[in-house]
Amino acid sequence: EVQVVESGGGLVQPGGSLRLSCAASGFTFSSNWMSWVRQAPGKGLEWVANINQDGSEKYYVDSVKGRFTISRDNAKNSLYLQMNSLRVEDTAVYYCATGGTTFSHWGQGTLVTVSS
Amino acid sequence: QSALTQPPSASGSPGQSVTISCTGTSSDVGGYNYVSWYQQHPGKAPKLMIYEVYKRPSGVPDRFSGSKSGNTASLTVSGLQAEDEADYYCSSYAGSDRVFGGGTKLTVL
Repeated sequence: EVQVVESGGGLVQPGGSLRLSCAASGFTFSSNWMSWVRQAPGKGLEWVANINQDGSEKYYVDSVKGRFTISRDNAKNSLYLQMNSLRVEDTAVYYCATGGTTFSHWGQGTLVTVSS
Repeated sequence: QSALTQPPSASGSPGQSVTISCTGTSSDVGGYNYVSWYQQHPGKAPKLMIYEVYKRPSGVPDRFSGSKSGNTASLTVSGLQAEDEADYYCSSYAGSDRVFGGGTKLTVL
C-alpha cells in the first residue's frame, strides 16, 4: 500500500524557517516525481513545488521561489521542503503527494502556522 | 500561474447527474491532456478521481467521468450518491508550473 506521511509542521514567527519531511513507503520512491501542495485555512489547493526522480529538476510556484527548496533522499525514501523567510500567507496545511503532474497519492498533511 | 476557473458550487438530487466545469487557457487545460480531478471531504486529504482528462484510477466508481473541449475540462458525476458530497478540484499541467482550480462544493440535495 502506497503511503506518504508528512511531519515537521508547527508554529513559526514571520521571517523564520521550517523544514518539512515526507516519509514514503509501498512504492519505488526513486522512480517517481514527488510534489508539495498546500491548502490555506478554508481555501483551495495550491501547488508549491515538484522534483524529478534524481533531484536534477525542481520547479516552484512563483510566490515561493527563492525562499523554499524542495529536495529528496532516495536512500531514505524521503522528500523534504526547506522553507525560509516565512510569511503569514504561507500558513497552510502542506501535503506531500506522489507524482509531478498527476498527484496520485496524498498524505494527511502537516500544518504550518506563521504568526507572531 | 493563474488559477483555473471552477463554479463555487454545484448540486443535484440522489440519482441525478451533475457536471462541474474547469476553464483555463491554451497554456494549460487547452494545451495538454494532463487535466486531473480531486475529491476532498472535510478534514481529509484530497483523493485522485480522474487523470489525463478521462482516465479513472483503480477503485474509483465509473459514475465519475472526465472530458475536455478546448480550454474547458469537465467532471461528470452520474447517479449521485450522498457520499459524493465533497469539494472537487481540477488541476492542469502548465509547462513548468501546475495549476489548480478554485474548487467546487458539490451538494447532494
